[in-house]
Amino acid sequence: NAGVTQTPKFQVLKTGQSMTLQCAQDMNHNSMYWYRQDPGMGLRLIYYSASEGTTDKGEVPNGYNVSRLNKREFSLRLESAAPSQTSVYFCASSEGGARSYEQYFGPGTRLTVT
Amino acid sequence: GNSVTQMEGPVTLSEEAFLTINCTYTATGYPSLFWYVQYPGEGLQLLLKATKADDKGSNKGFEATYRKETTSFHLEKGSVQVSDSAVYFCALLNFGNEKLTFGTGTRLTIIP
Repeated sequence: NAGVTQTPKFQVLKTGQSMTLQCAQDMNHNSMYWYRQDPGMGLRLIYYSASEGTTDKGEVPNGYNVSRLNKREFSLRLESAAPSQTSVYFCASSEGGARSYEQYFGPGTRLTVT
Repeated sequence: GNSVTQMEGPVTLSEEAFLTINCTYTATGYPSLFWYVQYPGEGLQLLLKATKADDKGSNKGFEATYRKETTSFHLEKGSVQVSDSAVYFCALLNFGNEKLTFGTGTRLTIIP
């Protein structure tokens, strides 16, 4: 039981390049989330998916797109990376509904945009 | 809207010291409150929770009491260990809303 897995662990991009961060969970959870973590800012929600086939914007969605490929997988895409997107990105999942508070986090992806 | 305010860090304590990390919140209605912990190099994990006023959440020697009158949820531990070194996040969730609101985190370092 791997929990929440994320790839890659580290990535360096040049401004304007694109990339997709992958996330998968094996807990049969309904809801999945993408956060970014910046010093002094805590965690901020980028996008979330309450169920397969649905996605909603969080606090900081600009510059990102997401795909809930199936119940297990939730990817985050940067179409044209900017230095302001340098951050640590976390994927999380939960059962959803009344148990949305109990989120399980992946180990994170450290992204640097130069 | 919802917001969570945590005490500024970093906090450095000696082993076996008493710990308090302050957390206050602003929210509509009656939110549930949580503490998450992030150990070095890892993602966050739920430490404890309280779902209504006067509830006390506890886990691994940590405690926090949901105080509606002061809109607070301070984290305490009577005797900290080196292994408690981590970043601690206070968070809230409103009923019917699936999105957690996190504080900025407090980095705790325990020295032997």
